[in-house]
Amino acid sequence: NAGVTQTPKFRILKIGQSMTLQCTQDMNHNYMYWYRQDPGMGLKLIYYSVGAGITDKGEVPNGYNVSRSTTEDFPLRLELAAPSQTSVYFCASSSGTGGHEQYFGPGTRLTVT
Amino acid sequence: GQNIDQPTEMTATEGAIVQINCTYQTSGFNGLFWYQQHAGEAPTFLSYNVLDGLEEKGRFSSFLSRSKGYSYLLLKELQMKDSASYLCAVRRNAGGTSYGKLTFGQGTILTVHP
Repeated sequence: NAGVTQTPKFRILKIGQSMTLQCTQDMNHNYMYWYRQDPGMGLKLIYYSVGAGITDKGEVPNGYNVSRSTTEDFPLRLELAAPSQTSVYFCASSSGTGGHEQYFGPGTRLTVT
Repeated sequence: GQNIDQPTEMTATEGAIVQINCTYQTSGFNGLFWYQQHAGEAPTFLSYNVLDGLEEKGRFSSFLSRSKGYSYLLLKELQMKDSASYLCAVRRNAGGTSYGKLTFGQGTILTVHP
């Protein structure tokens, strides 16, 4: 099992550009999440999904969009990148049973200049 | 809303015991999680408490008091590799599609010295 994988690992964007951060999990988890982590801070939830075709906003959704067409994939789209979106982005997934702990991908470090 | 507080930084000596506290205020509490995050890496799950009391897992234990809105993570026999950020996260039972969402504290950076 690869677990949760994210691409790319690093990216530099110019202001106004767009990009998609990819996230895939092979654990057949229904729940998937996107977080951002600014230096010295905890994680802030951007969007989450409870299954294919169902997504909802988290704490900081402005400037982002998501889709969930399959159980495995949960891409995060940045439109019109701004310097405030410079951060490390983590994707996570969890099953719907037990303690419901979340498993995280390795992260994407994004810089917008 | 939710408010989660934990100390920003702590230091300890190799072989010692350290306790990292977390206090929270929330309605509809439905579980508290501890994650470990080494610098430049993803968080990894350490422990989960939903009922009052102590959960022990090897060198790590986690305690919860729901009435006090308080948890701690206890690390025994500290090793250099335990130097990391420790994140406290609270799950709120909002029902429906909100099940499973976590709110994270800012993390406690633990430095273990020889």
